[in-house]
Amino acid sequence: NAGVTQTPKFQVLKTGQSMTLQCAQDMNHNSMYWYRQDPGMGLRLIYYSASEGTTDKGEVPNGYNVSRLNKREFSLRLESAAPSQTSVYFCASSEGGRGRINEQFFGPGTRLTVL
Amino acid sequence: AQSVTQLDSQVPVFEEAPVELRCNYSSSVSVYLFWYVQYPNQGLQLLLKYLSGSTLVKGINGFEAEFNKSQTSFHLRKPSVHISDTAEYFCAVSSSLTGANNLFFGTGTRLTVIP
Repeated sequence: NAGVTQTPKFQVLKTGQSMTLQCAQDMNHNSMYWYRQDPGMGLRLIYYSASEGTTDKGEVPNGYNVSRLNKREFSLRLESAAPSQTSVYFCASSEGGRGRINEQFFGPGTRLTVL
Repeated sequence: AQSVTQLDSQVPVFEEAPVELRCNYSSSVSVYLFWYVQYPNQGLQLLLKYLSGSTLVKGINGFEAEFNKSQTSFHLRKPSVHISDTAEYFCAVSSSLTGANNLFFGTGTRLTVIP
């Protein structure tokens, strides 16, 4: 099993450009998450998908959109990139399920720089 | 709202010495607590978790943590560290109030083990 995979690993954008970060998991998990990690701020939740067909905003959703394409894939889109979105982006997944608390498994991250 | 405080941003310690990484949380309801480790250029990996039951939780790589409800703390300890423990450590909290699978992370503690 590959676990959680993310593409690309690195990306440089100019202000105003758009791009989509891809995430896939092969653990048959119901829930998936997107975080950003900034120095001195830990990880902050951008969006999550509790189950296929649902998405919800997290702590810092502004400037992002997400799509839960199917049970395996959860993409994050930046429509018009800004320098403030320079960060390391992590995708995670968990088994999910009502009333259950599950470990989240993380991908290796995408390092994004917006000039 | 949930919040997690990791007071020590950096902790240097000599090899084979004991270490404690501090974590305090704020919540008025029952919480679920986690410690994750991040090795350089990698995603996060779960070290241990407290959901209920015994307040002393043992994790991987010889780490353990103790849940102290009265002090709202969940400090991570290891009696003897190795060079390979050099990494960043994140404390995280979730609760039934915010959604059991929504994690709030602390800002991280960088542990450096000195030979």
